[in-house]
Amino acid sequence: DAGVIQSPRHEVTEMGQEVTLRCKPISGHDYLFWYRQTMMRGLELLIYFNNNVPIDDSGMPEDRFSAKMPNASFSTLKIQPSEPRDSAVYFCASRPQGLLNTEAFFGQGTRLTVV
Amino acid sequence: GDSVTQMEGPVTLSEEAFLTINCTYTATGYPSLFWYVQYPGEGLQLLLKATKADDKGSNKGFEATYRKETTSFHLEKGSVQVSDSAVYFCALSGDDKIIFGKGTRLHILP
Repeated sequence: DAGVIQSPRHEVTEMGQEVTLRCKPISGHDYLFWYRQTMMRGLELLIYFNNNVPIDDSGMPEDRFSAKMPNASFSTLKIQPSEPRDSAVYFCASRPQGLLNTEAFFGQGTRLTVV
Repeated sequence: GDSVTQMEGPVTLSEEAFLTINCTYTATGYPSLFWYVQYPGEGLQLLLKATKADDKGSNKGFEATYRKETTSFHLEKGSVQVSDSAVYFCALSGDDKIIFGKGTRLHILP
């Protein structure tokens, strides 16, 4: 398996534009997580899904952020409109269900810069 | 709610020095505990884990022991190398999500 795949790796956009980040989890993994990493706040959990259903979105900072998982092999995180303070590295991770001692597997991240 | 607290960085050591990065946790139930490592420009990858009290996780010369009585999971390595320079995250798995500490940046000087 190629692991968790995120695209794009880097995104530079202007304030006010819509940004869509994409993630393909590892096949067979039932959990999908979106994290945001910044120097100030570290690694924050934004939202996670189980079997394509959003379970907890309490970490989503504002209504400008939305996430979807239309099927087991694809998820998107959308920011509309984007703002400079959204600049961060966004990670997607997946995890199999059934054993709570299993780790999450991370993608390489998307570095977002909003200018 | 569940939380993880790890020592603030950055930590700077000379090559071959002994390393300890402290981690304590708060959790209901019996979580699994993890250490992840992040190299520059990369995602997080699992370094080691422990699933129950007194378990010791180990990998690449790093070790950590699950101490329920002190709610701790400190990371240690006897002799660090320049290639160990990275950010280290302590984490716990409660119900179905994984909670991370803020990370500790480690610099190893040759």
